[in-house]
Amino acid sequence: SSELTQDPAVSVALGQTVRITCQGDSLRNYYASWYQQKPGQAPVLVIYGKNNRPLGIPDRFSGSSSGNTASLTITGAQAEDEADYYCNSRDSSGNHVVFGGGTKLTVL
Amino acid sequence: EVQLVESGGGVVQPGGSLRLSCAASGFTFDDYAMHWVRQAPGKGLEWVSLISGDGGSTYYADSVKGRFTISRDNSKNSLYLQMNSLRTEDTALYYCAKDRGTGTTGYFDYWGQGTLVTVSS
Repeated sequence: SSELTQDPAVSVALGQTVRITCQGDSLRNYYASWYQQKPGQAPVLVIYGKNNRPLGIPDRFSGSSSGNTASLTITGAQAEDEADYYCNSRDSSGNHVVFGGGTKLTVL
Repeated sequence: EVQLVESGGGVVQPGGSLRLSCAASGFTFDDYAMHWVRQAPGKGLEWVSLISGDGGSTYYADSVKGRFTISRDNSKNSLYLQMNSLRTEDTALYYCAKDRGTGTTGYFDYWGQGTLVTVSS
């Protein structure tokens, strides 16, 4: 198996741009996906694959990847974006899945 | 509309067993792999297990391998997790999640609301 590492907490001023990163060896072979989780709610997929957004996810959310690092960017952060964000990917075996530890995003 | 509804959680003593269920609707169930993911109170997400669309392939996190068994009944659009030899560290909210592919892509596009498992004496 492998691990994915995220910063525990990140903050952003309202309307500004923030990038949340995820590092791990498996990201050299597999794209990450990103999940938003608000208190008391189930996670919601916001980005998957190279840079794909499910229907209903605002276009201020975007994803990118380089080497062993995947990034989630929120361009023009809104108050409602305050949440925990998790990355995941398939692990090096391809048959298991691993999650990052999560990043708590605060919108100031 | 895709819906995933988990059930079967509860309080169990260490060493005990529970069987979780997830009722799926709104999509062609056997076209997609399914997963169980758990979240301990105040902690992050932890992948638990995966089953392919046809049920022929199953995989487990090291933390549950040999104790948990994932299965599915495609005729009933249902996913299951049999949990044996439960430990206090298995206490968590257990989510079922739909994969975007028949085999795993690792992209979970729909999640249930979870069922709480508490392992305590």
